[in-house]
Amino acid sequence: QLRLQESGPRLVQPSETLSLTCTISGGSVISSGYYWGWVRQPPGKGLEWIGIFYHAGSSFYSPSLQSRLTISADTSKNQFSLKLNSVTAADTAVYYCARCLYTYGHSFCDNWGQGTLVTVSS
Amino acid sequence: QSVLTQPPSVSAAPEQKVTISCSGSSSNIGNNYVSWYRQLPGTAPKLLIYDNNKRPSGIPDRFSGSKSGTSATLGITGLQTGDEADYYCGTWDSSLSAVVFGGGTKLTVL
Repeated sequence: QLRLQESGPRLVQPSETLSLTCTISGGSVISSGYYWGWVRQPPGKGLEWIGIFYHAGSSFYSPSLQSRLTISADTSKNQFSLKLNSVTAADTAVYYCARCLYTYGHSFCDNWGQGTLVTVSS
Repeated sequence: QSVLTQPPSVSAAPEQKVTISCSGSSSNIGNNYVSWYRQLPGTAPKLLIYDNNKRPSGIPDRFSGSKSGTSATLGITGLQTGDEADYYCGTWDSSLSAVVFGGGTKLTVL
């Protein structure tokens, strides 16, 4: 059974880099056909898609975050990570990692981590 | 402001049926497949419907999805108090090359 677990600092200083890791168990980051991604949810608000990537190199990022965002994998640890630069209070949210599927016109996430709240504050 | 438009809230009595709408445009719903997620309070979203009307393994047939033009609908029959949650639609947006979500609909089972 696939399980995803987010980890990383819960408090980040403004203008610093937010870094989170998603550890995969019961599956592999190099699984054929699966993308891996991140979705966030500001407190009391709706879901915001961050981006997805495929281990072989394809990736798609939210246009509003693209300039500050990197999603990548560490295949030796069966993990993937999120790095978001130059954060502000607006980046405070629960961050979810997820396994997703993508083909042109189709994209959905069928397995999600439990989420981790990251607060941007001095 | 979400790219996809959902009603903020819907309500219905136990055992009744409810529908939740999701409106978009030709760059998203009109030419791509829609998925639906349920988020119980304090938990992660869970996939209910994908590819407009397909249910993942383990999702009961009380949940159904449909699409017409640039709108999609989630239907839930035989409402239970355990169905009280936030429901989100999502789809690929070809103009943005990104997934977009609706703002979410809070379902209350009276």
